[in-house]
Amino acid sequence: SAVISQKPSRDICQRGTSLTIQCQVDSQVTMMFWYRQQPGQSLTLIATANQGSEATYESGFVIDKFPISRPNLTFSTLTVSNMSPEDSSIYLCSVWANTEAFFGQGTRLTVV
Amino acid sequence: QKEVEQDPGPLSVPEGAIVSLNCTYSNSAFQYFMWYRQYSRKGPELLMYTYSSGNKEDGRFTAQVDKSSKYISLFIRDSQPSDSATYLCAMSAAGTYKYIFGTGTRLKVLA
Repeated sequence: SAVISQKPSRDICQRGTSLTIQCQVDSQVTMMFWYRQQPGQSLTLIATANQGSEATYESGFVIDKFPISRPNLTFSTLTVSNMSPEDSSIYLCSVWANTEAFFGQGTRLTVV
Repeated sequence: QKEVEQDPGPLSVPEGAIVSLNCTYSNSAFQYFMWYRQYSRKGPELLMYTYSSGNKEDGRFTAQVDKSSKYISLFIRDSQPSDSATYLCAMSAAGTYKYIFGTGTRLKVLA
């Protein structure tokens, strides 16, 4: 299994600012994933972060808006840049371990 | 049409009832089918994992996959108030890490 710690658990931010979300895993993993969970919507994959390479973004998500860092095999950050109220959502970090996907508890972001 | 459709509920049942949760999908390439449970303000946790068609049972939970109908189900027997949560179905094709999730069904089990 994998235990994921995500920080912050929640935040209220002003529009136009940026927020960086941290994800720490208790074991080394090759791939880390960032998801968005909007109210009434399904979890949507934002990007996949591999250590030592650029993140791979899904359709509809771009690096300028959601820059990702992956400095080592246990840690990643997702930044939500130049925020607008439409970015209000829950952001989740996920990893694969033994063919199972594990999730952090999420970061609940409100943009005002 | 979404790749995965799931009734958002909410679904309210009395304690002890049998609960049936369902998802339909359109992509015939999906081979792996998962059910996740998500409590309020928590991340999803894996409940059941099924490969291809058939049934899988784990305690009070049974997962069914009917690939011919592109339909999956999760049954909860003897439901408890502690089962109150949102249940998410997820699917993936072989050789890919990408999960496609349903919107989740909110379940409330009344004591």
